[in-house]
Amino acid sequence: DGGITQSPKYLFRKEGQNVTLSCEQNLNHDAMYWYRQDPGQGLRLIYYSQIVNDFQKGDIAEGYSVSREKKESFPLTVTSAQKNPTAFYLCASSRTGTGGRTRTQYFGPGTRLTVL
Amino acid sequence: GQQLNQSPQSMFIQEGEDVSMNCTSSSIFNTWLWYKQDPGEGPVLLIALYKAGELTSNGRLTAQFGITRKDSFLNISASIPSDVGIYFCAGQLSSNTGKLIFGQGTTLQVKP
Repeated sequence: DGGITQSPKYLFRKEGQNVTLSCEQNLNHDAMYWYRQDPGQGLRLIYYSQIVNDFQKGDIAEGYSVSREKKESFPLTVTSAQKNPTAFYLCASSRTGTGGRTRTQYFGPGTRLTVL
Repeated sequence: GQQLNQSPQSMFIQEGEDVSMNCTSSSIFNTWLWYKQDPGEGPVLLIALYKAGELTSNGRLTAQFGITRKDSFLNISASIPSDVGIYFCAGQLSSNTGKLIFGQGTTLQVKP
């Protein structure tokens, strides 16, 4: 089956620790995105990548880091510098190229991170 | 940053009723997307709109891309209990980056 997987589904972290969230896709999409969702709010973009070995900051990148060493994978690290890391994290992917049709984003199932 | 205003924030309706929600923005978008999110899950794409004035249906769902390119609406006809969830609109400013701006969501509850 083609799709986007995120692991783990639930993650608990002690304050002051870094933690890495996994995102893998087998849709052969070039672009990948990380979003944060807080209760009652829309999704906010953390980082995005349009091609391997390249990525850009989104609207709320502070306290997060990413890497894009493989087309299929776009892991997100929540560092100890992130002041309020408890949230639901969503990964998405899309094709690239001009035109909105090619850029439609599809989402993974999400990881809920709780800082204890 | 850019914002989308999505309304209503929540709706509580009787099974069988029709539902309408909309999103407006001060910015012009080249794509409008409507997603549904179940609790604890990722958003699932319902309808994608790529051209101003476009009207698209997906079963009981119908969405339109506003002529001004600054708004979109989603209608659900004859609601059923499984329609319960959070509905998000998202607008794409630039197809070069693919970045989306999301509305705050409309929480729909359906009473059987």
